[in-house]
Amino acid sequence: SQTIHQWPATLVQPVGSPLSLECTVEGTSNPNLYWYRQAAGRGLQLLFYSVGIGQISSEVPQNLSASRPQDRQFILSSKKLLLSDSGFYLCAWRGSGLGFNEKLFFGSGTQLSVL
Amino acid sequence: LAKTTQPISMDSYEGQEVNITCSHNNIATNDYITWYQQFPSQGPRFIIQGYKTKVTNEVASLFIPADRKSSTLSLPRVSLSDTAVYYCLVGDMAGGYNKLIFGAGTRLAVHP
Repeated sequence: SQTIHQWPATLVQPVGSPLSLECTVEGTSNPNLYWYRQAAGRGLQLLFYSVGIGQISSEVPQNLSASRPQDRQFILSSKKLLLSDSGFYLCAWRGSGLGFNEKLFFGSGTQLSVL
Repeated sequence: LAKTTQPISMDSYEGQEVNITCSHNNIATNDYITWYQQFPSQGPRFIIQGYKTKVTNEVASLFIPADRKSSTLSLPRVSLSDTAVYYCLVGDMAGGYNKLIFGAGTRLAVHP
C-alpha cells in the first residue's frame, strides 16, 4: 500500500532563517506531488506541484521554492523565512495515470511558526 | 480555470441529514468531482468522487445533475465527529488536470 511521510510535524523558526521540509512517498512510482499551505482558519493554497523529477510548477510568487531530486521525494525550501510564511504545510500525492479520477492523498502536515 | 463555490459555513444537529452544494460552472467534460473532509491540524482525506448522476459509499452520497455544473454532498445522520471542513475539488484544464486548486471549503458544525 502507498504511504506518504512528511516531517517535521512542528517547527518554530526565527525570521530570516532557512527552511527545508521534506516529503516522501512509498509504494508507488512516478506520482504527481503537491505542496499546499494553510493559514489558520483558512483554505488550502496550492504552492507547487510536480509531475516528474526536476519538473516544478509554481503557483504563488514568494520566497519559497520546491525541488524534486528523486521520483518520490519533494522538498520545500526557503533561504530566508518571513513572518507571513507561518502556516500548516501539507504535502500530497496522486497517481499519474491517464484517468482524470485520481485521488489526492495527504501527509500529516507540518505546523510552521515563524517568530 | 475551474473554480468552485461553496457555502462558507453550515450548522446542523446530530442525527440530521446535511447537504452541501458546490458550484463548478466551468467544469471540463472529462473532469471528476471529488470531495474531501478535513479535521483541524490534519490533511484532508478523500470522501467520495463522481462524474455524473449519483454515487453512494459507506460515508456519503454525491448527487450530480445532468449539466454537471454543481454537485451536492449528502451526509446522512451526522454526528459530532462529522464537524469538519468539506472541500469539493475539480481539475483545472489549464494545468492538464495536474493543477489541483481547492476552494475555501464549507465549515460544518454539528451540535448536540
